[in-house]
Amino acid sequence: GAVVSQHPSRVICKSGTSVKIECRSLDFQATTMFWYRQFPKQSLMLMATSNEGSKATYEQGVEKDKFLINHASLTLSTLTVTSAHPEDSSFYICSASEGAAEAFFGQGTRLTVV
Amino acid sequence: AQSVTQPDIHITVSEGASLELRCNYSYGATPYLFWYVQSPGQGLQLLLKYFSGDTLVQGIKGFEAEFKRSQSSFNLRKPSVHWSDAAEYFCAVGPNDYKLSFGAGTTVTVRA
Repeated sequence: GAVVSQHPSRVICKSGTSVKIECRSLDFQATTMFWYRQFPKQSLMLMATSNEGSKATYEQGVEKDKFLINHASLTLSTLTVTSAHPEDSSFYICSASEGAAEAFFGQGTRLTVV
Repeated sequence: AQSVTQPDIHITVSEGASLELRCNYSYGATPYLFWYVQSPGQGLQLLLKYFSGDTLVQGIKGFEAEFKRSQSSFNLRKPSVHWSDAAEYFCAVGPNDYKLSFGAGTTVTVRA
């Protein structure tokens, strides 16, 4: 199956700093990528949808200035958590899809803000 | 609006016993339905999916699921559970293959 690689798998950062998470499709062209957030013991909540070369579409309640998404190429999307605070600590997962095909998930990134 | 309900937060099952995880969905049209498994600290792995055709779907790792339109359900089953099946299981629904809404998940514990 298709492979989606997410990096880093874990990151700890200080409050007030910014963190960038990468999501790469290794063997297909990801025209659409999705970013999810998962709180402990809860389900995945869709944060935003990004299409290559255009602005991301954010779900209601997600601050676009807080969670910057860039999808500049067909194999890479990045999520930057700006001015991170402890409440941003979470598990972030991306998925990628080529055209209207099945989406494949990355391994996830555990963000801890201290 | 689409939504997914997984009524069971946590299920404990003995190794070798059968397992059934419940999933109910709300969706206006014929949905795409999915079951994913997540091991601790890992991403999601697709077990199986349904869109049309035979309502009994076979997946990987010996799992199967049955779509029942009249009950708006898509329950996941495995006849004989292995210790490696201990994980979090998520049911998901969507209008297509890629934009999904997830249930809250069911944690499966396997006892020896």
